[in-house]
Amino acid sequence: DGGITQSPKYLFRKEGQNVTLSCEQNLNHDAMYWYRQDPGQGLRLIYYSQIVNDFQKGDIAEGYSVSREKKESFPLTVTSAQKNPTAFYLCASSTIGFERETQYFGPGTRLLVL
Amino acid sequence: AQKITQTQPGMFVQEKEAVTLDCTYDTSDQSYGLFWYKQPSSGEMIFLIYQGSYDEQNATEGRYSLNFQKARKSANLVISASQLGDSAMYFCAMSEETSGSRLTFGEGTQLTVNP
Repeated sequence: DGGITQSPKYLFRKEGQNVTLSCEQNLNHDAMYWYRQDPGQGLRLIYYSQIVNDFQKGDIAEGYSVSREKKESFPLTVTSAQKNPTAFYLCASSTIGFERETQYFGPGTRLLVL
Repeated sequence: AQKITQTQPGMFVQEKEAVTLDCTYDTSDQSYGLFWYKQPSSGEMIFLIYQGSYDEQNATEGRYSLNFQKARKSANLVISASQLGDSAMYFCAMSEETSGSRLTFGEGTQLTVNP
């Protein structure tokens, strides 16, 4: 089955720790995205990548870092510089372009800072 | 200014009735796309329907249709014959030609279907 997997489903972080959220896709999509969702709100773009070894900042990139060493994988690191990391994190992927490039989402990771 | 506005934080509908969820957008691009996603309580985002700015006909996908009024910059989602499983958050999103494949999301509408 083609799709997007995210792990873990729940993640607990102590203050001052970096944590890495995994995102893998087998849809052969070129583009991948990371979003943050706070309770009762919409999604905000953190980072996105349209090609291996290249990525761009989204609207709320501060305190986060990413890598794109393989087409299938786009891990997100939440660094200690992110002051309020408790949120729901969603990864998505799509084909490249503009028109009709629907983004498909993974099941998400809930991050809680202890 | 908000690029996507969903003015209804919550909506209620009786099972088997139709419901319209509102979405207005703001863009200066001539070419853009509008998407609707459903988010159940589990958190996954499910793609429902897409409308391109140059599409002359309103998009339809099963019980979902999009009432696209370009001059008014609105892209309302119509769900016909509501089912209990339709209870979820619904998000409107837009892609713009100048932003490539990036999506901008609205704040969402919580739909509750009553039996």
